[in-house]
Amino acid sequence: ETGVTQTPRHLVMGMTNKKSLKCEQHLGHNAMYWYKQSAKKPLELMFVYSLEERVENNSVPSRFSPECPNSSHLFLHLHTLQPEDSALYLCASSQDPGTDTQYFGPGTRLTVL
Amino acid sequence: AQKVTQAQTEISVVEKEDVTLDCVYETRDTTYYLFWYKQPPSGELVFLIRRNSFDEQNEISGRYSWNFQKSTSSFNFTITASQVVDSAVYFCALSEAQDSGYALNFGKGTSLLVTP
Repeated sequence: ETGVTQTPRHLVMGMTNKKSLKCEQHLGHNAMYWYKQSAKKPLELMFVYSLEERVENNSVPSRFSPECPNSSHLFLHLHTLQPEDSALYLCASSQDPGTDTQYFGPGTRLTVL
Repeated sequence: AQKVTQAQTEISVVEKEDVTLDCVYETRDTTYYLFWYKQPPSGELVFLIRRNSFDEQNEISGRYSWNFQKSTSSFNFTITASQVVDSAVYFCALSEAQDSGYALNFGKGTSLLVTP
């Protein structure tokens, strides 16, 4: 595997379900990111991790819970989501957080019923 | 406030035409970086270019070229002799050394459709 991978690619869940999104980067980077992309809106940064430590959390509701067990893996745990949370969730990584180029995964298309 | 403006929401061209995608940015930082990404229908954001604020040289890569002008705060992207495979949404983004934190500030994107 190369680059940034995300699983699953598509997810449909009910509002009472609990699910997790997984991201893995094979680039040897130190920083990982979660973005949300909704229709008609710019990409929104959700969380940033640097060397497994969360360094930014942009007022994201607590129903989204990130986890970074090591510098290669990033999870987004989802519980009691709302229909408006339906979106494309993109993971990215960069050598270091900040102005380094971010490389993105293919995203997880989430639909909340 | 939106830091990156892509005024063109959708552009449609016929194959082999040249097309320019506009990007205007806003920053108070003297050190910043500008990016272009391509998002094909598959969804993945593909990195195209990164330029820093101290390098105003235009760049050419195959059919792609970029025109960075600090005087007008613009970083425009031109595709020469467009092809159907160029159809995608293109995003311009800004990263600031001081003000952005860790965020890439994206524009809303320009959807390019190239028809045969």
